[in-house]
Amino acid sequence: DGGITQSPKYLFRKEGQNVTLSCEQNLNHDAMYWYRQDPGQGLRLIYYSQIVNDFQKGDIAEGYSVSREKKESFPLTVTSAQKNPTAFYLCATRQGDGYTFGSGTRLTVV
Amino acid sequence: GDSVTQMEGPVTLSEEAFLTINCTYTATGYPSLFWYVQYPGEGLQLLLKATKADDKGSNKGFEATYRKETTSFHLEKGSVQVSDSAVYFCALKAQGGSEKLVFGKGTKLTVNP
Repeated sequence: DGGITQSPKYLFRKEGQNVTLSCEQNLNHDAMYWYRQDPGQGLRLIYYSQIVNDFQKGDIAEGYSVSREKKESFPLTVTSAQKNPTAFYLCATRQGDGYTFGSGTRLTVV
Repeated sequence: GDSVTQMEGPVTLSEEAFLTINCTYTATGYPSLFWYVQYPGEGLQLLLKATKADDKGSNKGFEATYRKETTSFHLEKGSVQVSDSAVYFCALKAQGGSEKLVFGKGTKLTVNP
């Protein structure tokens, strides 16, 4: 079955450490996205990529970095510059007007 | 900029009650409108969508009509079930080449037996 795999489901990070969240898709969709979700808030766009080797900042890109070396993969690195990284992170792909979301990674800073 | 406002929750209903979750939007032109549902600990699933004025999206007993005159896309269901308990998000994608889905803050629905 085609879909999006996000790993790990839960991630703990010490303050000052970088951490990378994985997002893999086998839907053959060109566009991929990272969103951040905080309690009681909607989703906010961090980064997106419309094609391999190209990506754009979203609304809250500070403290995050991405790469898009393969069509199937769009990893997100949360750097030590992100002051409040504890959140639920969702990866998505798009084909036309149809967005497909992964099951998310919950990141907690300890 | 574009924005979505949806009614704040939480909403608690008894099984078989009627559900309405209000959603209004601000955007130029004719955005595409969506309702997503999120079950605990999971990602978002598309519930329904509408891409032009007066379109009605429907799925699993849920309905929403794209009202350009009131810039609204209210979600309704005639008889809710316990399994409908989840968080519901209204969202828009601006007309043209915008890449971004703009989300409301979400409404948590709890349905009691």
